[in-house]
Amino acid sequence: AQKVTQAQTEISVVEKEDVTLDCVYETRDTTYYLFWYKQPPSGELVFLIRRNSFDEQNEISGRYSWNFQKSTSSFNFTITASQVVDSAVYFCALRDDYKLSFGAGTTVTVRA
Amino acid sequence: DAGVIQSPRHEVTEMGQEVTLRCKPISGHDYLFWYRQTMMRGLELLIYFNNNVPIDDSGMPEDRFSAKMPNASFSTLKIQPSEPRDSAVYFCASSLENTGELFFGEGSRLTVL
Repeated sequence: AQKVTQAQTEISVVEKEDVTLDCVYETRDTTYYLFWYKQPPSGELVFLIRRNSFDEQNEISGRYSWNFQKSTSSFNFTITASQVVDSAVYFCALRDDYKLSFGAGTTVTVRA
Repeated sequence: DAGVIQSPRHEVTEMGQEVTLRCKPISGHDYLFWYRQTMMRGLELLIYFNNNVPIDDSGMPEDRFSAKMPNASFSTLKIQPSEPRDSAVYFCASSLENTGELFFGEGSRLTVL
């Protein structure tokens, strides 16, 4: 069964627009960890943010913010004032039972 | 600080040949993971180690795949014999604890002709 679902396959925006990426997860564990990773065209996987299941406080870090809601099993990610360098594939991931399971990814294209 | 180091970055080989991918995790990290990325299947976990011991290899596709971690600073993923469907990017990752983020190497792009 799919543990992490990213319903959006591709998103295209114009520079300076905000971009929100959706993520829905599934787990039976009460303690788990959620992540967002970025994969730019160069191919490496870059860690962005981490959230644990017992802290639903939403935060902002620079141009990144996230909305974690346990009631709906969602962990959405927003890039504010997007830039061309934000163009990449973004992966939501769930770590439970020690393993990290990835969603299928959302390709974000930011046009100048 | 050095990150996770993988070699080779690119490998082109012919069907039937043996392929060995190598990984050096971040020093002090207790967990090491091997992932495979393809367009069709996305990022799949193949196997992971804790303190050099394989814990879960349920993602290894078949007996042609094997992985070892002889010490805390080195791991290999071997495919023998290789097949065209093994063509993918193979990532190695390490983490300090079982709850933390994984740090990935740059990947090894394998092409089997």
